Parts: sequence; structure tokens; C-alpha cells
Amino acid sequence: AQSVTQLGSHVSVSEGALVLLRCNYSSSVPPYLFWYVQYPNQGLQLLLKYTTGATLVKGINGFEAEFKKSETSFHLTKPSAHMSDAAEYFCAVSVVGFKTIFGAGTRLFVKA
Amino acid sequence: DSGVTQTPKHLITATGQRVTLRCSPRSGDLSVYWYQQSLDQGLQFLIQYYNGEERAKGNILERFSAQQFPDLHSELNLSSLELGDSALYFCASSSNQGQTAGELFFGEGSRLTVL
Repeated sequence: AQSVTQLGSHVSVSEGALVLLRCNYSSSVPPYLFWYVQYPNQGLQLLLKYTTGATLVKGINGFEAEFKKSETSFHLTKPSAHMSDAAEYFCAVSVVGFKTIFGAGTRLFVKA
Repeated sequence: DSGVTQTPKHLITATGQRVTLRCSPRSGDLSVYWYQQSLDQGLQFLIQYYNGEERAKGNILERFSAQQFPDLHSELNLSSLELGDSALYFCASSSNQGQTAGELFFGEGSRLTVL
């Protein structure tokens, strides 16, 4: 069975600082990995995904994530935070033929 | 706009009542998923349908049921409602053929408040 752990339910950064949101997964077979973002009063939308191939994936709004199999991690980063990045971020894992499992979410606060 | 439509957006009802939440997936998507989001439980997978058939079941209570109709829209029925059922219910769809693990497209959710 798959599982996802997001380290830190809340992360606070200053505007212009590095954003690092941590995600570790567990899967007995090669997983597909996703990061979704949820803005207030909205549904989740895809930021980026890893399926196969290049382990560094780039997404929308300047975010990227690196799949590290040896560390079973898929951390999300952005070099410079913007106020508009304040939202909740969800890491998710799925494997072929099975449902997508979401982490508990990390709420990102961006200070001016 | 994800292309997934959920109605109603807000719903307030009393304990013991029954409600139906409706979801229209993106055009062409055969899979529909239902998730429950609450402060204490996070985003919990309830159930998945693929082309009218139940494909996967998660933490769905026996008081809850769902179905997907021939036109691919789906309904989630919640009965004998309890205070703890108050949550945001999301529908998502994908073009998942059942053999691939693709991205999900979420609706804006139906916020249920049980008083």
C-alpha cells in the first residue's frame, strides 16, 4: 500500500526566501508523485507531477520538485517566495490501477 | 476552471437528514473520485467510479453511497447525517483508463454544514 508523509503542517517564509516543502512516500512499486495546491475556497489544482524519466520536474508558478528514490522523497521547492504563493500544498502518490493518496497538507505562509 | 462542476456549493442541514451532492466531470473523463476534506481528517478518499462502475473504495461510511450515471455525472448521497459529517466534499475526475495513474482535476467542492 502507498502512503505519504508531509513534514510540517505549517511553514512560514519571508517574501523572496526559498520555499521548501517536504514530502516522503512509501510504495511497494514505482509510484507516480504529484504536488497539488489549494487556494482558499477553491479546489486542488496540479502544480507538477513525476511519472517516469527526468527526476527533476518543473511545474507552474516557478515550483519544482525532485524525485529521490533512495530517500523516498519528493520535496517541493521554489527559489523565491511570493505573497501569492500562500496556500495549502498537498503531496500525493498513486500507482497504476490504484487510487491517489494525499498527504495531510502543508499550509504555506508568506510574510512581507 | 478545471472543468469539473459540483453542486451545490454550500449546504446547511440538520442532523438525521439526507443530502445529495452532484458532480459533472470534465468532458471525456471516465473516472470520478469523491474526497472528504475536514480539519481533523485532512483529505480522505471516499470512492472512485470508472465508466459507471465502482472501481475503488476508501474510508466511506455505510451511511454514504455514490453512483455514476450513464452520462458520467456522479452523485454522492449522505444519509442520517451527524455533526461530524460537516466537511468540504470534493469531486475530481481524470481520463484515467484504470491502467494509468494520472492527474486529478478537482471541482470547487460542496461545503456541507450539519447543525
